[in-house]
Amino acid sequence: DIQMTQSPSTLSAFVGDRVTITCRASQSISHWLAWYQQKPGKAPNVLIHKATTLETGVPSRFSGSGSGTEFTLTISSLQPDDFATYYCQQYKSGDTFGQGTKLEIK
Amino acid sequence: QVHLVQSGAEVKEPGASVKVSCKASGDTFINYVVHWVRQAPGQSLEWMGWINVGNGYTRYSQNFQGRITITRDTAVSTAYMEMSSLKSEDTAVFYCAAKDNTGLRGYDYWGQGTLVTVSS
Repeated sequence: DIQMTQSPSTLSAFVGDRVTITCRASQSISHWLAWYQQKPGKAPNVLIHKATTLETGVPSRFSGSGSGTEFTLTISSLQPDDFATYYCQQYKSGDTFGQGTKLEIK
Repeated sequence: QVHLVQSGAEVKEPGASVKVSCKASGDTFINYVVHWVRQAPGQSLEWMGWINVGNGYTRYSQNFQGRITITRDTAVSTAYMEMSSLKSEDTAVFYCAAKDNTGLRGYDYWGQGTLVTVSS
């Protein structure tokens, strides 16, 4: 099985900050990676698929990069609505999620 | 677009089985693959398996192989996930999620989640 290692597990930041979350795959997954945002008590919401493709309606402050085994999600200027938990997911073989990054207000 | 509505919360005793449903409306159901994801309290998301609604083909995570069965009934646009031999550690919210059958995208549509509590 492909393992996904996400870091950091918790991230504290101010509104307006630029933040980056990293996800590493245990083997190459090409660009078969998605990013999700989840708020408490709600289902996740997809932000990005194929590593870099922003979903319709997702603000342009979100961006994804990477291929192979190393990927990043960047939020260029944090807004109050962005404080949530973020997950990466590989879908090259089976599907595996990272452990999540909880983004907290500093 | 697809709208997914899951069945309600369940309370089960250890050793029992549970069957969760996921009813779709909107777009043509057979064009989608439905995945099931488990989320234990305070934990990450765990992929369980999927079913191609069009042809019925299934694939399961090794972590759940032999303990879950995913089916669908296209006549009522509903997918099902049945888990057997429940343990207290299975207490979780179970989500269904759908993606189109091209395989190119993430999970575009999610159900609201079904809380399954396993307790004696």
